[in-house]
Amino acid sequence: LAKTTQPISMDSYEGQEVNITCSHNNIATNDYITWYQQFPSQGPRFIIQGYKTKVTNEVASLFIPADRKSSTLSLPRVSLSDTAVYYCLVVTSYAGNNRKLIWGLGTSLAVNP
Amino acid sequence: NAGVTQTPKFRVLKTGQSMTLLCAQDMNHEYMYWYRQDPGMGLRLIHYSVGEGTTAKGEVPDGYNVSRLKKQNFLLGLESAAPSQTSVYFCASSYPFSLAGADTQYFGPGTRLTVL
Repeated sequence: LAKTTQPISMDSYEGQEVNITCSHNNIATNDYITWYQQFPSQGPRFIIQGYKTKVTNEVASLFIPADRKSSTLSLPRVSLSDTAVYYCLVVTSYAGNNRKLIWGLGTSLAVNP
Repeated sequence: NAGVTQTPKFRVLKTGQSMTLLCAQDMNHEYMYWYRQDPGMGLRLIHYSVGEGTTAKGEVPDGYNVSRLKKQNFLLGLESAAPSQTSVYFCASSYPFSLAGADTQYFGPGTRLTVL
């Protein structure tokens, strides 16, 4: 059974780089890795998506090794406002029914002053 | 652009009552989803739709029904509510694809439902 596994919680301090790793051993050829951020009492918000190697945008980087069985979300120089729950999602890229969406249980990141 | 909106924001039901949660999106997205979120359980997909008039079961569909009569709306129904359906419900929508490769979902603010 496909699973997406990530740490339950992490602690960090302001200004540090935070790396959250997600394990997805059964990832398939058509699958992409997506990360979402969720603040209390809000819906999740898209952060970044990738297929292989490295992807970077204005808020984060995503590192995916060649075997694609894991991925690492990197948040540079975190601030208190980055305290949130971060979800890893493995999703198929093709359109139509029989969609596969494998969500991790989320990593609760606490950034301390 | 309102994005994804959900109605109502809060609701308390008694066991056996029925209700409908409404999700609306103004982004012309093809895909729409209903999730429930419970402490320690993450997001679990209830039902989804890949287009107007189509629906499909997700991971936890039992006790729920859905309809997508209009592209912009996705309704989630509870015919006979049970305490086990106490949860926060999120709706999301997406295009089939994105520039990055797979679809990215836009979530609503959630509906907090309590069944007594």
